[in-house]
Amino acid sequence: DTAVSQTPKYLVTQMGNDKSIKCEQNLGHDTMYWYKQDSKKFLKIMFSYNNKELIINETVPNRFSPKSPDKAHLNLHINSLELGDSAVYFCASSQGAYGINTGELFFGEGSRLTVL
Amino acid sequence: AQKVTQAQTEISVVEKEDVTLDCVYETRDTTYYLFWYKQPPSGELVFLIRRNSFDEQNEISGRYSWNFQKSTSSFNFTITASQVVDSAVYFCALSEPDQTGANNLFFGTGTRLTVIP
Repeated sequence: DTAVSQTPKYLVTQMGNDKSIKCEQNLGHDTMYWYKQDSKKFLKIMFSYNNKELIINETVPNRFSPKSPDKAHLNLHINSLELGDSAVYFCASSQGAYGINTGELFFGEGSRLTVL
Repeated sequence: AQKVTQAQTEISVVEKEDVTLDCVYETRDTTYYLFWYKQPPSGELVFLIRRNSFDEQNEISGRYSWNFQKSTSSFNFTITASQVVDSAVYFCALSEPDQTGANNLFFGTGTRLTVIP
C-alpha cells in the first residue's frame, strides 16, 4: 500500500479553470503538508495541517485553498488557474506532536500540473 | 534568508569517481533535523537520511556517507564510486519542529548530479 498517495499524477488544464488535487495518507500521521516545486526545482512549503487545523500558510495566493476533511486527507483546490501555477505539487505527512516525532516527512509521488 | 544553501548547482563526474555534495544550513533552534533527499528523473522524492541535531556521528550506508559538522553548520553527502543510476537532483533539507510538532521542511535549491558512463 502506498503510504502517501496523490491523485491525479498529471493534470493539464486551461487558464481560468478550477482544479483539485487529492492527497491521502495511511500512516496514521497527525500532520499533512503541501509543497510546490517550480520549474527550477525549488521546493517550498505552501500549507501545513495538524489534525485538520491549518498551522502553516505561507504566502500563497487566495486562489489556493487546502481542505482537510479528516486527518488522513488534505486536498488542494486551486481556483482561476494561471500559467504560473504550473508546477509539481507534493503532498507529505509527518507524525506531529503526538507519538514519536522523527522529524521526517513522507512524500507522495507528486502531481504535475500544467496550465495552458 | 536562505536556511539551507547548496552552493553547487550542477556537478558532472565520470562513473566510478567519488563526489561530495555540499550543504550548509542556518538555524537558531537547538533541536532540528537534517535530511537528504534524492529526486531521480522520474520525479519522486526519495528519502536518503535523517540526522537530528544531537547526533553528530558520521554515517555510512553502502556507497553513501554523510559528514555532519555543527561547528561549520554543514551536512555534506559523499557518493563513492559513482554510478550512472546516481544521476539525479539531490536536496538537502532542514526541519525545525514547532510546538505543534509540525515539521516545516526547508529545502536547499538542489544539486543536479550527472554521472557520465
